[in-house]
Amino acid sequence: KAGVTQTPRYLIKTRGQQVTLSCSPISGHRSVSWYQQTPGQGLQFLFEYFSETQRNKGNFPGRFSGRQFSNSRSEMNVSTLELGDSALYLCASSPTTSGEQYFGPGTRLTVT
Amino acid sequence: AQSVTQLGSHVSVSEGALVLLRCNYSSSVPPYLFWYVQYPNQGLQLLLKYTTGATLVKGINGFEAEFKKSETSFHLTKPSAHMSDAAEYFCAVSSNTGNQFYFGTGTSLTVIP
Repeated sequence: KAGVTQTPRYLIKTRGQQVTLSCSPISGHRSVSWYQQTPGQGLQFLFEYFSETQRNKGNFPGRFSGRQFSNSRSEMNVSTLELGDSALYLCASSPTTSGEQYFGPGTRLTVT
Repeated sequence: AQSVTQLGSHVSVSEGALVLLRCNYSSSVPPYLFWYVQYPNQGLQLLLKYTTGATLVKGINGFEAEFKKSETSFHLTKPSAHMSDAAEYFCAVSSNTGNQFYFGTGTSLTVIP
């Protein structure tokens, strides 16, 4: 099976812009989670979707949003980008409602 | 509430020596526990997991971990370090009711030739 794929792999944006990141889970996986990874804060949970519904949400401002489509593919959107949003954004999919997560390679977002 | 504490942000071992990476968890419900490894500029790769059953869990690349409920620990070990083990290691906990993972801050493992 193909692994979790994320597009794009690298992205450079300027402050105030918005960005959309995409994640395709492993075939058959219905749960998709998003994480932000930075050197200072480590891995922080953004949100999790299961069957097109947001089931869990981390402690991030409303500028961060996501959605999941009927084919389980997911997107996350960050509006009004700030310098502090520069990070590696990781997507993970899971085959069950609880259990191990399989991570994609991440999208490296740089905000200038 | 759930959380994970990884003791030691940096660990150095000699090639061939024992690797021991420490993880303690806090969970109000029976936890699921995981160890992941991250190589530079890559995503996280699952090393091993504990859900229920046998408390000694064997993973990939010769790693294993033991779930000790009395100590709320899930330390990762490998008998003999290899140069290719140099990476960042993350311990994570989740409940059995959902997919929200809580990660530790990570331990960077250096292997000295």
